[in-house]
Amino acid sequence: DAMVIQNPRYQVTQFGKPVTLSCSQTLNHNVMYWYQQKSSQAPKLLFHYYDKDFNNEADTPDNFQSRRPNTSFCFLDIRSPGLGDAAMYLCATSREGAGKDIQYFGAGTRLSVL
Amino acid sequence: SQQGEEDPQALSIQEGENATMNCSYKTSINNLQWYRQNSGRGLVHLILIRSNEREKHSGRLRVTLDTSKKSSSLLITASRAADTASYFCATLTGGGNKLTFGTGTQLKVEL
Repeated sequence: DAMVIQNPRYQVTQFGKPVTLSCSQTLNHNVMYWYQQKSSQAPKLLFHYYDKDFNNEADTPDNFQSRRPNTSFCFLDIRSPGLGDAAMYLCATSREGAGKDIQYFGAGTRLSVL
Repeated sequence: SQQGEEDPQALSIQEGENATMNCSYKTSINNLQWYRQNSGRGLVHLILIRSNEREKHSGRLRVTLDTSKKSSSLLITASRAADTASYFCATLTGGGNKLTFGTGTQLKVEL
């Protein structure tokens, strides 16, 4: 089935050690998003790509970067994870045209920082 | 500031009962959506209601929208244990793709 796939599901890293989370999609959607969700909180948008155009949220720390090498893949890089970066990271996609406003989410990657 | 605030924060009901969740938002919207999130998983889109619509149905779900009060409600009828999840409203504003999520309601349906 077409879907949004996030790897790994669980990631443990050490304080200050760079980590990369990955997302792939078979939906051929133009837009890909990264959200951070802390326990019992709403998902918070970090940034999104509209095709190759990168759109950063104003309050996203510089510690968070993203790459989208092609339509199917998008990566979230955390350059120097702190304890406060422990969270669930959700990738989502959406398309242009009819139904463009609906987002399709992956299962998420839960990041632990030791 | 957060666009959507939901209440209650948590709701516990018996299977077969109806569950109602409310969402309030602060600015004009293009549409409002409801998503469900099972524990430790991603979000799943449930239903979308446009700003010019007042009510929408999908299966056991009924959503209302009152733009004058900047509020929406989600009703789940004849709830099942499998409905246990967190429910988030999300609003789309302006011309972009950005959704702003509410704080969520944790629903527990007990057998």
